Amino acid sequence: DVKVTQSSRYLVKRTGEKVFLECVQDMDHENMFWYRQDPGLGLRLIYFSYDVKMKEKGDIPEGYSVSREKKERFSLILESASTNQTSMYLCAHREGNEKLFFGSGTQLSVL
Amino acid sequence: AQSVTQLDSHVSVSEGTPVLLRCNYSSSYSPSLFWYVQHPNKGLQLLLKYTSAATLVKGINGFEAEFKKSETSFHLTKPSAHMSDAAEYFCVVSDALGGGKLIFGQGTELSVKP
Repeated sequence: DVKVTQSSRYLVKRTGEKVFLECVQDMDHENMFWYRQDPGLGLRLIYFSYDVKMKEKGDIPEGYSVSREKKERFSLILESASTNQTSMYLCAHREGNEKLFFGSGTQLSVL
Repeated sequence: AQSVTQLDSHVSVSEGTPVLLRCNYSSSYSPSLFWYVQHPNKGLQLLLKYTSAATLVKGINGFEAEFKKSETSFHLTKPSAHMSDAAEYFCVVSDALGGGKLIFGQGTELSVKP
């Protein structure tokens, strides 16, 4: 079975905290993505990566950064969490133009 | 830049009647198009994809979609709705110039009445 593992299912943080969301995939895919999902807005792309140490901004990168030190791991970082970053965060990966494999998501609440 | 618009935020049908979920896209070059479904508290599942082969694409669970370049549309249909089809559906576009990134529509919530 394909596994996309996100480190936490639910997370509660305080405003101003630094937050790390981890994602690990076991399919040796090069392309990895971070999305956030909000009601009525669908999934919006935050950052993506084509290879180790490579990253590209998505549509809403402000307030986020990423790290891809190893091929299987793609981390999303909130440098200073704010309440408007309360959301469901979804990690995904794919090979070429094939389908996306999604993790189960992390519901982040920033108080 | 590519974009995708789902024309209805919510669609309600009766069980056994046809389903139509509408999607229009914008893309500079030949796009790849996908439909994903998300059941409550479940992950996203690929329903079907179009990648410049046949314009009528058949997916899982009896769903299909037709790529119409002249209308820049990729509507999702099913002849007869089932209660288990109740979920949120996302239309997704990707093109080569976008570097393979996928852009999601806002989603359409499908309700199925008994």
